[in-house]
Amino acid sequence: KNQVEQSPQSLIILEGKNCTLQCNYTVSPFSNLRWYKQDTGRGPVSLTIMTFSENTKSNGRYTATLDADTKQSSLHITASQLSDSASYICVVSNSNYQLIWGAGTKLIIKP
Amino acid sequence: NAGVTQTPKFQVLKTGQSMTLQCAQDMNHNSMYWYRQDPGMGLRLIYYSASEGTTDKGEVPNGYNVSRLNKREFSLRLESAAPSQTSVYFCASGRDFSYEQYFGPGTRLTVT
Repeated sequence: KNQVEQSPQSLIILEGKNCTLQCNYTVSPFSNLRWYKQDTGRGPVSLTIMTFSENTKSNGRYTATLDADTKQSSLHITASQLSDSASYICVVSNSNYQLIWGAGTKLIIKP
Repeated sequence: NAGVTQTPKFQVLKTGQSMTLQCAQDMNHNSMYWYRQDPGMGLRLIYYSASEGTTDKGEVPNGYNVSRLNKREFSLRLESAAPSQTSVYFCASGRDFSYEQYFGPGTRLTVT
């Protein structure tokens, strides 16, 4: 069964600290993996999209990694800011034109 | 360049009423999508349109119909609203399926 599991479910860190969010998937055949940021009450916004051959991809203070062998991805946030408070969603697409959405990790940055 | 727009932003319906949610994009995207998001839950795909003139069911299509009116517009219709359809509805578009999706601001629907 195609599944995307994210951990932790929620995370609280202090402003300025780093954090890493995890995504494990059992989706095949794999096409690409995406990370989205969703602010409360708003639609998701794309952070990165990674194909099978990409191990690391950065977008400012956000760095995503992908290990296609172990079917794991992580999103690392450096020097967190209050505006990073949001839900972060991992989405995996397969070659059958399906998108499998994770439930998200809710990140709270405290001053 | 407005991106993806949705109307209305908020709507309250009584059980059994019907309504259409409108979505439009100005990015010349081929693919368009309708999702619902229940409180504390992930997004679930209702219907999608891979290209103008085509529509396909997603994960939770029951109780909904869609129309891809032209390349820009993709509407979602609730024929007989039920309390279980209380949710936030997001429309999204993308260059095609392999590319990132751009989301609208959402429609908050309550069915009493």
